[in-house]
Amino acid sequence: GAGVSQSPSNKVTEKGKDVELRCDPISGHTALYWYRQSLGQGLEFLIYFQGNSAPDKSGLPSDRFSAERTGGSVSTLTIQRTQQEDSAVYLCASRGVGLTDTQYFGPGTRLTVL
Amino acid sequence: QKEVEQNSGPLSVPEGAIASLNCTYSDRGSQSFFWYRQYSGKSPELIMFIYSNGDKEDGRFTAQLNKASQYVSLLIRDSQPSDSATYLCAARGGSYIPTFGRGTSLIVHP
Repeated sequence: GAGVSQSPSNKVTEKGKDVELRCDPISGHTALYWYRQSLGQGLEFLIYFQGNSAPDKSGLPSDRFSAERTGGSVSTLTIQRTQQEDSAVYLCASRGVGLTDTQYFGPGTRLTVL
Repeated sequence: QKEVEQNSGPLSVPEGAIASLNCTYSDRGSQSFFWYRQYSGKSPELIMFIYSNGDKEDGRFTAQLNKASQYVSLLIRDSQPSDSATYLCAARGGSYIPTFGRGTSLIVHP
């Protein structure tokens, strides 16, 4: 079946602009995660959704970052007033129900802030 | 603070050898453990998961878990140049949010 999809695959923006990144999880997956990975670095957790609610948004770096999920499916990560340090690959992952279910990643969105 | 530690490497092995990747975790409440492979410029791809102490084999890959020692390993038999990548270890407990290590770079040379 279809995996996790993300759009756009690449985004170049100017400093100060707002950007929206989209994630389509695997059908039926109730859990959705956003991560950020800077060049040569590890995965940085941003936010976790269970259904439409976000029980853990502790990883969001600042109030410029927000995310929502509607219909228990698509999620959007919004970055307002982008800064150069926001440049990274933004990864989305989804997981089915149950402790034993595993997390599958999308291809990521490469964000470059000029 | 929950931590997952991995040697950053690079670990260099000759083609056909066994590559051994190791990971330790700090949270004793961790119940599920995962190994992901990440090629340069690509997203992480799930290789193995393990929940019970002992070994779990899948093709050329074997995951080993020792909860008493808080240690997880991944063995890759008959290593191929195509196995050259960064391998991420992750541990997850009841919070459903996995903690990832920073990854070990593996280089398999012909």
